[in-house]
Order: sequence, then structure tokens, then C-alpha cells
Amino acid sequence: SAVISQKPSRDICQRGTSLTIQCQVDSQVTMMFWYRQQPGQSLTLIATANQGSEATYESGFVIDKFPISRPNLTFSTLTVSNMSPEDSSIYLCSAWRGGYNEQFFGPGTRLTVL
Amino acid sequence: QKEVEQNSGPLSVPEGAIASLNCTYSDRVSQSFFWYRQYSGKSPELIMSIYSNGDKEDGRFTAQLNKASQYVSLLIRDSQPSDSATYLCAGTSSGNTGKLIFGQGTTLQVKP
Repeated sequence: SAVISQKPSRDICQRGTSLTIQCQVDSQVTMMFWYRQQPGQSLTLIATANQGSEATYESGFVIDKFPISRPNLTFSTLTVSNMSPEDSSIYLCSAWRGGYNEQFFGPGTRLTVL
Repeated sequence: QKEVEQNSGPLSVPEGAIASLNCTYSDRVSQSFFWYRQYSGKSPELIMSIYSNGDKEDGRFTAQLNKASQYVSLLIRDSQPSDSATYLCAGTSSGNTGKLIFGQGTTLQVKP
């Protein structure tokens, strides 16, 4: 399995500010993804972080709100921009190793927006 | 129809019993299926994956896939209180992109 770390593990932010979440994988992986899990809900895919190119966003998520970078095969960042209380959620990154068809999740970042 | 559907539960079973968790999926979800376990306040942990029709066993866990009925299940034998968690069923869409589509999750309670 891949070991995934995320920073920060949690944060409390003010409305209108931005937060960047970092995700580091201990080995090269085929794909990296960002998910959101709102309180009491399941996981919703935000976007696919493409290495060296623009991320691919799912319906309802836009680059201006959730800019994503993936400069190499083991690292990605997600920024939550111009935050509102509705952005309070857990943000999870995942890594997919295509050859093994396994996807593992980082520990998550718990974000609270006041 | 939701792409991946699960009964949210809670499903309550006594310790030592078999817990049966079920999941149905739509035509948009067709490739591979995964069961994740999520403890409260933790991230999802991969338990099993299944790609072909039939059963796949790993220790106390058995995953079953029936593509004709678009049905996936997870059986947990000899359930323990430590198995109490939310179980998430996920499938991938066509194209082998790795994108997972999750069900709502089923909460399992194993009572001592």
C-alpha cells in the first residue's frame, strides 16, 4: 500500500481567506485525487490532480474555487479559496496505483470556516 | 437512480454473527468495486476489491459481485465490536481512470 500524509491535519479559518492543503505520497502513483466529505456524508470527488497539467474537475467544482497543483508524481496541493462556512468539511487526498487498481486515502484535513 | 446505493443503516448484529452489507450500482459504474471501512473521525481504509463475478475471500471478509444484478456485497464473519464502523462501497466508472464513485455508506454496530 501507499503511505499518504496530509498537512495540515486540521485548521480553523476565517471567511474570505484561503487555505492550501498538501498531500505527499511515499511512492510514485498513477493518479492522485481530491475528495470532500461533509459532516455525516459520504465522499464526493472534487477533481483529479494531473501531473504537469491542469486538474480535471467534477461537476459542481471549479478551478477558481479549488485550484490544484501536482508538480510531480508524489505531491499535490489543493487550495480552498475565498472560504465560506459551507466549505467546512474534511478534505481527503487519495493515490491510485493503476497497475494494482488500489486507491488509498490520506488521513484528511478537517477544515472549519467561521 | 444513484450511481452507487447503500442502505445507511444502522445495521446491528451481535458479536460472533455474520454481518451482510449490500450495495447496488447503475450502468455508469461498471469496472471495479471496493469496500472501505471508515471509523469515526478517520479516513477510509481499503478492505477489499473485487472485479470479477463471484466471491472473493480475505480472512473474515468475503466480497461478492453479481454484474448481471448490479449487486455487490460484503460479508463479515465472526463480527467483533471492533468491526463497528461505516462501510463504504465504491465503484469505478468506465475508462479505468481510477475515479471512485461512493455510496452513502452503511453504519455497522456489533454489540457485545
